[in-house]
Amino acid sequence: NAGVMQNPRHLVRRRGQEARLRCSPMKGHSHVYWYRQLPEEGLKFMVYLQKENIIDESGMPKERFSAEFPKEGPSILRIQQVVRGDSAAYFCASSPTLSNTEAFFGQGTRLTVV
Amino acid sequence: KQEVTQIPAALSVPEGENLVLNCSFTDSAIYNLQWFRQDPGKGLTSLLLIQSSQREQTSGRLNASLDKSSGRSTLYIAASQPGDSATYLCAVTKAAGNKLTFGGGTRVLVKP
Repeated sequence: NAGVMQNPRHLVRRRGQEARLRCSPMKGHSHVYWYRQLPEEGLKFMVYLQKENIIDESGMPKERFSAEFPKEGPSILRIQQVVRGDSAAYFCASSPTLSNTEAFFGQGTRLTVV
Repeated sequence: KQEVTQIPAALSVPEGENLVLNCSFTDSAIYNLQWFRQDPGKGLTSLLLIQSSQREQTSGRLNASLDKSSGRSTLYIAASQPGDSATYLCAVTKAAGNKLTFGGGTRVLVKP
């Protein structure tokens, strides 16, 4: 049973470009969470999704950021018109059910905006 | 708003010594608490999950205790090894399916 898969592991974007980060949860997991770790800061929650639904997006910046978890395929975190301040490690976690909330994390995508 | 604090921020011990890592949270109404390990440039590895009704969990050399009423959890690592060097993070959830709120982590260095 493969773990949570994130790709790419490293992503470099110029200011103004779009960044797309992908996350495939563990097999059988239908709950996906995205977190951001800014340099020298702790992990902060961004968004919680189930298949085809956004459950909690209270941690998402109001502009330029969006997330989806379609019926088929991975969850996508999309950042439009990236700025230097978006440089961070973005982690995806999945959990199996609503009652079993043990979170399993991917290796992260390290985004660098130049 | 839940706040999670980990003290100390960094810890250096000689190999073989026991490690004691502290985590405190301001809102005792938690659903569960999870301890993670993060190696530099890597993702998070789940170490132990403690449900709110439990007092402790054990896995090998690791033992985590939970005192919900006082808002504290402690992770004990027995007989530390250089391979235990990493950042240890604790996180709490408020309800089933809820997001994790993380502490800032404790960076541990075990010297051979």
